Amino acid sequence: AQKITQTQPGMFVQEKEAVTLDCTYDTSDQSYGLFWYKQPSSGEMIFLIYQGSYDEQNATEGRYSLNFQKARKSANLVISASQLGDSAMYFCAMREGNQFYFGTGTSLTVIP
Amino acid sequence: NAGVTQTPKFQVLKTGQSMTLQCAQDMNHEYMSWYRQDPGMGLRLIHYSVGAGITDQGEVPNGYNVSRSTTEDFPLRLLSAAPSQTSVYFCASSYLTSGGKTQYFGPGTRLLVL
Repeated sequence: AQKITQTQPGMFVQEKEAVTLDCTYDTSDQSYGLFWYKQPSSGEMIFLIYQGSYDEQNATEGRYSLNFQKARKSANLVISASQLGDSAMYFCAMREGNQFYFGTGTSLTVIP
Repeated sequence: NAGVTQTPKFQVLKTGQSMTLQCAQDMNHEYMSWYRQDPGMGLRLIHYSVGAGITDQGEVPNGYNVSRSTTEDFPLRLLSAAPSQTSVYFCASSYLTSGGKTQYFGPGTRLLVL
């Protein structure tokens, strides 16, 4: 079974609108971490946001927020007020022990 | 602070050749790891280390060896390259106590095996 599932291969959003990128995960551990990374066309991996499994509040970092629904095992990324520079691949990832698992990514295109 | 550095940036190998991808970090991070990224597959963990002298396998370790003799360096060795190892390789590091909360990635190495 896939540890991380991202079901949206590609997404489009109008500039200044909000967009939600979906991520579901599979683990039987009680302690784990969830991450989102951005990969622009230049190829580097940029850390966006982190949510610990015991964190009760949803994580926020500027225009990024993580909608954490533990019972549903989902960790969706919400980007508010999209900018042209947000066009990139976005990867959801999970830390389970010392192992990291990544999803297949969602390609986000911001339309002017 | 150079962060995480990787060399080379790009490499072409013939099937059966061996090579070492270098990774170094100057942040005194305990945790270091290697990933490969293939089209449509996301990143997959190859090997990781939680400190000098300690390494362990990730999701796709076959065909790769690692060692961690110092905190700073974590080289990845391909003993006998195969076309299936054509990929982009990323090295990453973080503090162990942070749970990998902020994992710093190197710029990547593009490997083509003919």
